[in-house]
Amino acid sequence: VQLQQSGPALLKPSQTLSLTCAISGDSVSSNLAAWLWFRQSPSRGLEWLGRTYYRSEWSKDYAVSVKGRISIDPDTSKNHFSLQLKSVTLEDTAVYYCAREFTPVSGLDCWGQGTLVTVSS
Amino acid sequence: EVVLTQSPATLSLSPGHRATLSCRASQNIAKYLAWYQQKPGQAPRLLIYGASNRAPGIPARFSGSGSGTDFTLTISRLEPEDFAVYYCQQRDDWPPYTFGRGTKLEI
Repeated sequence: VQLQQSGPALLKPSQTLSLTCAISGDSVSSNLAAWLWFRQSPSRGLEWLGRTYYRSEWSKDYAVSVKGRISIDPDTSKNHFSLQLKSVTLEDTAVYYCAREFTPVSGLDCWGQGTLVTVSS
Repeated sequence: EVVLTQSPATLSLSPGHRATLSCRASQNIAKYLAWYQQKPGQAPRLLIYGASNRAPGIPARFSGSGSGTDFTLTISRLEPEDFAVYYCQQRDDWPPYTFGRGTKLEI
């Protein structure tokens, strides 16, 4: 399984962060896996942002810290999932990662390569 | 929210030595703990899940133990490529994924 991230790396305050995570070797519609976004910064460490998964219907969960600004959406036709974070501020500067959780007890067994997103005026 | 406290923050050892890293949870998380290794410029890499199960492809010198609130990652004989930052992560409480602040293992 491989995850390949893409998306712009430089944003201005108030813009929307958009990243995509392309999946190979598995399906975003898997009935076992969950698909997640994290970010990492020196001040906040590794921080979970949200997840989506399919269990006869789609579910999405978001961290309280970004709820109201975040959307994680699967695209079954392209076998990828995306992250949108609205109204970014300087505090959203971080390395963003997508990841797979194969089962709830398996750990986060596959990660994207990471994207350094810088918010600067 | 479960808080994971890792110690020590930095561990200085030599190749061939044994490394013992600790992770303490602020409440009982049974065995819902994983360990990751991260090298500069790379994503975290899963080492251990379910507190004591090695992920596929992880060398046998890595082992995990513990349950409840106290967990340990042991590297039996350090290889040069093992010097990195190690994180623990819990999967029991909401929010469902929280990490410790890491232990830097340096030569």
